[in-house]
Amino acid sequence: KNEVEQSPQNLTAQEGEFITINCSYSVGISALHWLQQHPGGGIVSLFMLSSGKKKHGRLIATINIQEKHSSLHITASHPRDSAVYICAVRPYTGTASKLTFGTGTRLQVTL
Amino acid sequence: DVKVTQSSRYLVKRTGEKVFLECVQDMDHENMFWYRQDPGLGLRLIYFSYDVKMKEKGDIPEGYSVSREKKERFSLILESASTNQTSMYLCASSTQGVYNSPLHFGNGTRLTVT
Repeated sequence: KNEVEQSPQNLTAQEGEFITINCSYSVGISALHWLQQHPGGGIVSLFMLSSGKKKHGRLIATINIQEKHSSLHITASHPRDSAVYICAVRPYTGTASKLTFGTGTRLQVTL
Repeated sequence: DVKVTQSSRYLVKRTGEKVFLECVQDMDHENMFWYRQDPGLGLRLIYFSYDVKMKEKGDIPEGYSVSREKKERFSLILESASTNQTSMYLCASSTQGVYNSPLHFGNGTRLTVT
């Protein structure tokens, strides 16, 4: 079993829909990251959180430490949101710099 | 903005060749990382470095080595490329000063070994 599980693996939505991507992890963590990878490969860091909720534009990330679960929400989705969204956690054990990654959720937003 | 630059976007090499993947960052970050990304497996850490000339093995170091002679540059070396090293390679950097600092990624190098 992977330490970081994402669901769904693939998601298709129509423009304007509200989208939720889930991430569950099995170890104690000091932080959780949400990353975005567009076709072509480059990865951008969206959020880093250790508790509560963060918002940036149409993106909202939440984390429940007790339940070991995080969600990434996209409001009013747009075709430019089409990308792979990756959850990564920094476990308490190990070095400060090492992350464990989920396998990603591929999102396609259509007109 | 932090810029992490990988020298090649696409690379095709033959089995047995020595391959160098170069990565340069411009924000004076202490930490630099090399990952490979394969379908269904997510990103896996090959090596990382927390200072010049310092390196630590990641989860899958076999068949790879690294070099960090200058703070801004971190090179990944495939001593004798094999077809199972065909993959997307991603370099990243972060600052050491903040425990939970974000990673900044390059655009990736898609390596094909034939």
